[in-house]
Amino acid sequence: SQKIEQNSEALNIQEGKTATLTCNYTNYSPAYLQWYRQDPGRGPVFLLLIRENEKEKRKERLKVTFDTTLKQSLFHITASQPADSATYLCALDPTGGFKTIFGAGTRLFVKA
Amino acid sequence: GAGVSQSPSNKVTEKGKDVELRCDPISGHTALYWYRQRLGQGLEFLIYFQGNSAPDKSGLPSDRFSAERTGESVSTLTIQRTQQEDSAVYLCASSLDLGDEQFFGPGTRLTVL
Repeated sequence: SQKIEQNSEALNIQEGKTATLTCNYTNYSPAYLQWYRQDPGRGPVFLLLIRENEKEKRKERLKVTFDTTLKQSLFHITASQPADSATYLCALDPTGGFKTIFGAGTRLFVKA
Repeated sequence: GAGVSQSPSNKVTEKGKDVELRCDPISGHTALYWYRQRLGQGLEFLIYFQGNSAPDKSGLPSDRFSAERTGESVSTLTIQRTQQEDSAVYLCASSLDLGDEQFFGPGTRLTVL
């Protein structure tokens, strides 16, 4: 069956360290993959999109990798800050269409 | 507009009642999406609209769920004969075009007693 998996356990790290979140998918061949941030009680906010022909994408302290062979995307936050604490969702459009499929998200806690 | 807005922000209803949820997308956005998010879970796609094309209703969980959109503006999601399992946050998003970055509203928290 088709599915997206993100680590359901919360990730706790110390301020200043790099946070790495994983998104694995099976039985999809997405043209691109997206990462969103969601704070409690609010809708998700788009962060980055990476296409299948891109290995890596960066935006300020954020970096995303996309390995279509491993069917995995890694999301890194460098020099993490307590304000980075949130749930991070990965999402993909499995058919090149627009029925976006979201993972359940990984909760990140950054301690001061 | 400044962003996607949804109303009401909270809705408590009794089992068996009908509810209507509203979404106002960002002006000029041709694509509009509805999602459901149960507590502690990811987003579940329900339906999307794009321009005047027929909507993709493949994610609607049952025939009690329906949605409409007037042109490229407001959309309403209607749930008939609500059940307790319908309790969730219903999120609406819009994008400039299909496949573009999605901008989400704050959601409507629906509680069915």
